[in-house]
Amino acid sequence: DGGITQSPKYLFRKEGQNVTLSCEQNLNHDAMYWYRQDPGQGLRLIYYSQIVNDFQKGDIAEGYSVSREKKESFPLTVTSAQKNPTAFYLCATRGLYGYTFGSGTRLTVV
Amino acid sequence: ELKVEQNPLFLSMQEGKNYTIYCNYSTTSDRLYWYRQDPGKSLESLFVLLSNGAVKQEGRLMASLDTKARLSTLHITAAVHDLSATYFCAVDGSGGSNYKLTFGKGTLLTVNP
Repeated sequence: DGGITQSPKYLFRKEGQNVTLSCEQNLNHDAMYWYRQDPGQGLRLIYYSQIVNDFQKGDIAEGYSVSREKKESFPLTVTSAQKNPTAFYLCATRGLYGYTFGSGTRLTVV
Repeated sequence: ELKVEQNPLFLSMQEGKNYTIYCNYSTTSDRLYWYRQDPGKSLESLFVLLSNGAVKQEGRLMASLDTKARLSTLHITAAVHDLSATYFCAVDGSGGSNYKLTFGKGTLLTVNP
């Protein structure tokens, strides 16, 4: 059963702490994306990767970092430099017929 | 830079009525998508529109694409409460081979009995 697995579903971050959100896919898609959604807002692109070992900044990359060491995995680290990280984070892949989205991680600063 | 504008942002309808959501985008694009999002959930794909004049229908929803006007519409026919959700259009833009999806701000649809 192909799809995208995001974990954890809920994540709490203390001030000054780095946290990493996991995104794993078994769709064999080359392209992977991270989007951020704030309440009542659309989705904004953080980072994306078209192939392994390569990634590009999106519109709001500051305070975030990514890696793409394997085709299946595209983890997102929210660093302490991200001053307002509370949001809903969605991972996506792009295949021949369009985009597939994970179920999301809700990150809250405590 | 690709920009996507949706309107209205908020839509309150009575059951049984018809309405249209509009999506304008600023540059040429390969594909346009419509998604539905329920509160606290991920995105559910509704339609993918690939070419000028494309029209797709699923139940009470119909989407169309006019690439010359850079306009897509999502038409709701005889609304029912179950259609209450947020609807997003998104445009697949490419800088060379780097495809990425740019979203509108979404339309929060509330269907009242």
